[in-house]
Amino acid sequence: DAGITQSPRYKITETGRQVTLMCHQTWSHSYMFWYRQDLGHGLRLIYYSAAADITDKGEVPDGYVVSRSKTENFPLTLESATRSQTSVYFCASKSPYSNQPQHFGDGTRLSIL
Amino acid sequence: DAKTTQPPSMDCAEGRAANLPCNHSTISGNEYVYWYRQIHSQGPQYIIHGLKNNETNEMASLIITEDRKSSTLILPHATLRDTAVYYCIVIDQAGTALIFGKGTTLSVSS
Repeated sequence: DAGITQSPRYKITETGRQVTLMCHQTWSHSYMFWYRQDLGHGLRLIYYSAAADITDKGEVPDGYVVSRSKTENFPLTLESATRSQTSVYFCASKSPYSNQPQHFGDGTRLSIL
Repeated sequence: DAKTTQPPSMDCAEGRAANLPCNHSTISGNEYVYWYRQIHSQGPQYIIHGLKNNETNEMASLIITEDRKSSTLILPHATLRDTAVYYCIVIDQAGTALIFGKGTTLSVSS
């Protein structure tokens, strides 16, 4: 089915480990986004991408790395995970045309021990 | 910071209309009003958006005041599955980041 999927849905890892969260969309949307959601902060933008090979920082990019080699995929990597990165991560995508909404995946719940 | 103000919580009886208000008094002429909702543990779900005209789709209606300083999301016949946090977001056409405030927690009960 068409849509946006995130994997894994749940992940537990240890501090200092590298972990990659995957996001895949089948709409061929040019824009893709990564947000994190923490209690008391709502959703905050980490990184976004306007097209393949084009990425830009959001509000809270420190500690994260992204890449976009293919339009449909936008992986988010925590190179050395810290406890403060325990959160729920949401990926979203959007058509390049103005006045179009972002559509979100179901999220990855990441716990760093 | 979010550019919108919403009541923290509202209650609605099942089958009745749910009217969720949003204040966006500093909205600019090229900014749209978007509504999303988030059901527990799920990703935000797009509901509707508008610029200045009232809008309706299969999920809801959006009423924007003439001065565009406030709007109301209407769920015409609320069901238990409409229990969620509802977010009102203001963003311009070129905007990328959606800035989510605290939203309104709508509780629908039978």
